[in-house]
Amino acid sequence: SYELTQPPSVSVSPGQTARITCSGDALPKQYAYWYQQKPGQAPVLVIYKDSERPSGIPERFSGSSSGTTVTLTISGVQAEDEADYYCQSADSSGTHVVFGGGTKLTVL
Amino acid sequence: QVQLVQSGAEVKKPGSSVKVSCKASGGTFSSYTISWVRQAPGQGLEWMGRIIPILGIANYAQKFQGRVTITADKSTSTAYMELSSLRSEDTAVYYCARASSSSGMDVWGKGTTVTVSS
Repeated sequence: SYELTQPPSVSVSPGQTARITCSGDALPKQYAYWYQQKPGQAPVLVIYKDSERPSGIPERFSGSSSGTTVTLTISGVQAEDEADYYCQSADSSGTHVVFGGGTKLTVL
Repeated sequence: QVQLVQSGAEVKKPGSSVKVSCKASGGTFSSYTISWVRQAPGQGLEWMGRIIPILGIANYAQKFQGRVTITADKSTSTAYMELSSLRSEDTAVYYCARASSSSGMDVWGKGTTVTVSS
């Protein structure tokens, strides 16, 4: 079955830039979405359609796509950004939704 | 602003079934899909399946095919997820989420904890 691959963890100091990647063969065909999840809470959408930002999401969150890899970039990381981040997309037919394994962002 | 209100926590015996509900409050399902996503303790998000409520058409992740049924009642703007033949590995928080191809899963329920234990 189709898989999306994320690094298990990323660590950055406050004010630095965090980049979280997500790789999958169907990403050139299917949009990617990114979700932030803090402990004990439901996920929150932070990026949709590869690079669009929902209203209410800070401008420091951005997304990009290149071939089979999409990237979530958090510029000027703040302590409150410490969370798990998940990419989500679909298989090449668009039939089945899939999540990446998640990346734990630690703010040092 | 639409909110998704899920039913309360459940404790089930192995081999039994559970049915979790998800009601749209402050609006309707409109043309969105409703996905069900689960998260086992300490694990990542896992998509189970989705339904287009206005059409009543559902599709499921291969892993759950034959064991999960997702339905929707348009008249009450409520979606349901029923999982059968429960085992301990099904212990998880189950979320419903509103989704569209143009917006992603933009509204989530707070989650329903299902515990499977003898």
